[in-house]
Amino acid sequence: ESVLTQSPGTLSLSPGERATLSCRASENVNTNYLAWYQQKPGQAPRLLISGASNRATGIPDRFSGSGSGTDFTLTISRLEPEDFAVYYCQLYGGSPLFTFGPGTKVDIK
Amino acid sequence: QLQLQESGPGLVKPSETLSLTCTVSGGSISGNNHYWGWIRQPPGKGLEWIGTIFYSGSTYYSPSLESRVTISVDTPKNQFYLRLTSVTAADTAVYYCARNFGDYVGYFYYYMDVWGKGTTVTVSS
Repeated sequence: ESVLTQSPGTLSLSPGERATLSCRASENVNTNYLAWYQQKPGQAPRLLISGASNRATGIPDRFSGSGSGTDFTLTISRLEPEDFAVYYCQLYGGSPLFTFGPGTKVDIK
Repeated sequence: QLQLQESGPGLVKPSETLSLTCTVSGGSISGNNHYWGWIRQPPGKGLEWIGTIFYSGSTYYSPSLESRVTISVDTPKNQFYLRLTSVTAADTAVYYCARNFGDYVGYFYYYMDVWGKGTTVTVSS
C-alpha cells in the first residue's frame, strides 16, 4: 500500500501569487490514479483534478495538475481569495482502495 | 443533479455502535460504473477513507478499520449505510459519504466526484 506525503505542510502566499503543491508517493503509481481535492473550513472536500491532470467540471483553468511515477504537483497559477484552503492528494490503490495525503494548507501571507 | 446526504445520531457512547445512512438523490445508486464510499475527518485532522460498496453489495474496507466496519446498501431506497462497532473517542469525526466515480480508459479507475455535506459524530458518555 503506497503512502502519500505532501509538502509543504503550510504555504503562505499573497493573492495573485503562484502556488506549487507537491504530493509524493512511496512507490510508482499509475498516473490515472492520482486526484486532488480542495477543502474549505466547514465544507466537504471538492474534486479539483482526476487522473493527475484532468480538471473536474467547473474548476477554473488556473488550477493545473502534473506529474508521474512518484511525484505529482498541483499548481494554482494566480491565487484568488477563494483559493485559500487545504488541498489533499488522493491515490486510488485498486480493489477499490483509497489513500489520502496529509494535506497542504494554503493561507494568506 | 446528484446529491448525497448523511444522517444519523450525532452522539454515540463509547463501546457502542455508530450507524449512519447516506441517501442518494438525483440519480440511481445502481449505476454500473460507480461505487459509494464513506470517509471521515477527525477534528483538525485530515481525511481518512473508511470503505466503499458497489450496488451489488461487494465491499472494500480500510485495513485499519476492517475489523469494526460494515457497509451495506439498499438499492430500492437508494441508500447505503455505515456501521462502526466498539467506538472510542478516536472515532469522533465528521463523516462524509461520496460517490466513487468510475472513469474508463481501457480499465476503470476511481475518484470521489460528489460528496455529502458531512455529519458530525461525537463519541462521549
